Amino acid sequence: DAGVTQSPTHLIKTRGQQVTLRCSPKSGHDTVSWYQQALGQGPQFIFQYYEEEERQRGNFPDRFSGHQFPNYSSELNVNALLLGDSALYLCASSWQNTEAFFGQGTRLTVV
Amino acid sequence: GIQVEQSPPDLILQEGANSTLRCNFSDSVNNLQWFHQNPWGQLINLFYIPSGTKQNGRLSATTVATERYSLLYISSSQTTDSGVYFCAVEAGTYKYIFGTGTRLKVLA
Repeated sequence: DAGVTQSPTHLIKTRGQQVTLRCSPKSGHDTVSWYQQALGQGPQFIFQYYEEEERQRGNFPDRFSGHQFPNYSSELNVNALLLGDSALYLCASSWQNTEAFFGQGTRLTVV
Repeated sequence: GIQVEQSPPDLILQEGANSTLRCNFSDSVNNLQWFHQNPWGQLINLFYIPSGTKQNGRLSATTVATERYSLLYISSSQTTDSGVYFCAVEAGTYKYIFGTGTRLKVLA
């Protein structure tokens, strides 16, 4: 079992650019959630996808958008990047809404 | 929304010592998990424990849902136990709310 995999692991972008992060859920899982973790803080919920629809959204601007594909994999897109978007982005998968398993994260640096 | 508080915020132990980490939450929850975040950022599942008691080797956890707290016990600590421990709860809104974490350092 490969677990939750995320790509890329590290990324450097310039302010104003757009970025796409990818996540493949653990085998058998149908739900994908995205979290943002700033340095020294706990992860903050961005949104959750289930059956290819956004089911729940946290307190993040519309610049953050996502997608879930029929194979349950997911993408997180961030437009018009700001310096404050620099963070570790974590993807979590679960079956329905039970125990969540996290990927290794994508560390995004905006310069 | 639900509030999650963890204590202590920081903990320094000598190798071999025991410790108890606490997680308080402000409302009823459907799901509760304990994680260990390693220095590379990976969140490692320790326990999925919305209620009751579980044990896994040197670690054990207890959640008393009616009193809205959970405890994580680490016995005979090792240097590899160092890192940040997070409690996260889900209260029917499909999103996990994380506490601020306990930063543990185990000295050899």
